[in-house]
Amino acid sequence: KAGVTQTPRYLIKTRGQQVTLSCSPISGHRSVSWYQQTPGQGLQFLFEYFSETQRNKGNFPGRFSGRQFSNSRSEMNVSTLELGDSALYLCASSTGQCTDTQYFGPGTRLTVL
Amino acid sequence: AQKVTQAQTEISVVEKEDVTLDCVYETRDTTYYLFWYKQPPSGELVFLIRRNSFDEQNEISGRYSWNFQKSTSSFNFTITASQVVDSAVYFCALSEARGVTSGSRLTFGEGTQLTVNP
Repeated sequence: KAGVTQTPRYLIKTRGQQVTLSCSPISGHRSVSWYQQTPGQGLQFLFEYFSETQRNKGNFPGRFSGRQFSNSRSEMNVSTLELGDSALYLCASSTGQCTDTQYFGPGTRLTVL
Repeated sequence: AQKVTQAQTEISVVEKEDVTLDCVYETRDTTYYLFWYKQPPSGELVFLIRRNSFDEQNEISGRYSWNFQKSTSSFNFTITASQVVDSAVYFCALSEARGVTSGSRLTFGEGTQLTVNP
């Protein structure tokens, strides 16, 4: 069974731009969660999507948004990029049961100049 | 609010040494799940183990073992006879079971950088 895939793997943007990251979950998984990893703040939860609906949300500004499609693939969008948005963005998939294990993708490394 | 603390920022050992990574957690819930993930330099978080709050049995998997103690809110991870390939950042994480409508989120510790030298 293929794992979680994320595209692109690396991105370089400038301040003020917007960016869209993509995540394809493990086949059969309906939940996709997004996490931001930075040296200063560590791993932080952004949001979770299940059956095309945002089910859970972390403490991030509205510039961070996401969506999920009917095939469970998810996209995350960051608008008006700031230098502090430079991070590794990790996507995780699970069946959607709150007790289930989350399996992570390789991440997208975003650099904001 | 839930919290996970990994007090050891970095650990350096020589190959074949045993090493224990500490994890202490805080939660108000009676039902919760604890995880360990490994993050090699490539960046991907690799799942290692999951325990639920009702199962305090220790577990051994090859060179890996886990010691879960609710009385001290700890979930420690031991690597026996460490190898260079074990070098990575290890994260302990906590998830509370909030029900189907609330979904779940992982709260991670700060991570422990383990370096195994030949």
